[in-house]
Amino acid sequence: ETGVTQTPRHLVMGMTNKKSLKCEQHLGHNAMYWYKQSAKKPLELMFVYNFKEQTENNSVPSRFSPECPNSSHLFLHLHTLQPEDSALYLCASSRLAGGSTDTQYFGPGTRLTVL
Amino acid sequence: AQSVTQLDSHVSVSEGTPVLLRCNYSSSYSPSLFWYVQHPNKGLQLLLKYTSAATLVKGINGFEAEFKKSETSFHLTKPSAHMSDAAEYFCVVGVFGNEKLTFGTGTRLTIIP
Repeated sequence: ETGVTQTPRHLVMGMTNKKSLKCEQHLGHNAMYWYKQSAKKPLELMFVYNFKEQTENNSVPSRFSPECPNSSHLFLHLHTLQPEDSALYLCASSRLAGGSTDTQYFGPGTRLTVL
Repeated sequence: AQSVTQLDSHVSVSEGTPVLLRCNYSSSYSPSLFWYVQHPNKGLQLLLKYTSAATLVKGINGFEAEFKKSETSFHLTKPSAHMSDAAEYFCVVGVFGNEKLTFGTGTRLTIIP
């Protein structure tokens, strides 16, 4: 688990705020993912990056904006969020994307609360 | 298309007794199947995975799962539960070449002392 770190661990923000979530992987992987985990719902894939290129946007609202400056770092920029966006946001990485045999390694998540 | 169903949202067992967490899947192609565990305030950790090799897969911490194609099942078992096994468990299905893994809704395992 220490191979993927996420900051902050907890975030409370108002609907008009702008904030960013950060993810860093120390595993030498080439693919990174953002997931949303809400209570009573399955984990939802949001974005996939493979070799810094976005390869998947799972119909995520534009108030969530990902950025992947290199294969080790992934950001999720947040603006004008809604209360229903409150959730645990998980980052993951794997050797490659598109090969589901590759294990995805998850960070501890950022618990986001939107007031 | 692929889907996964975890048949129990909550399972309680006594310490030292066997654990059975049930998972059924649906996939148009040969699936990869995973079990992940999530302890409170932690990320998901891989327990084991099946990728078309041996149908009985052994994982960490004494867990194992058996792929049964005829039953489209991938149940997770452990012979003797330990208090540290209390957590949320997720069954996951994927197809090679598809970036999307499909997660189940999770089974919360409670261990009774």
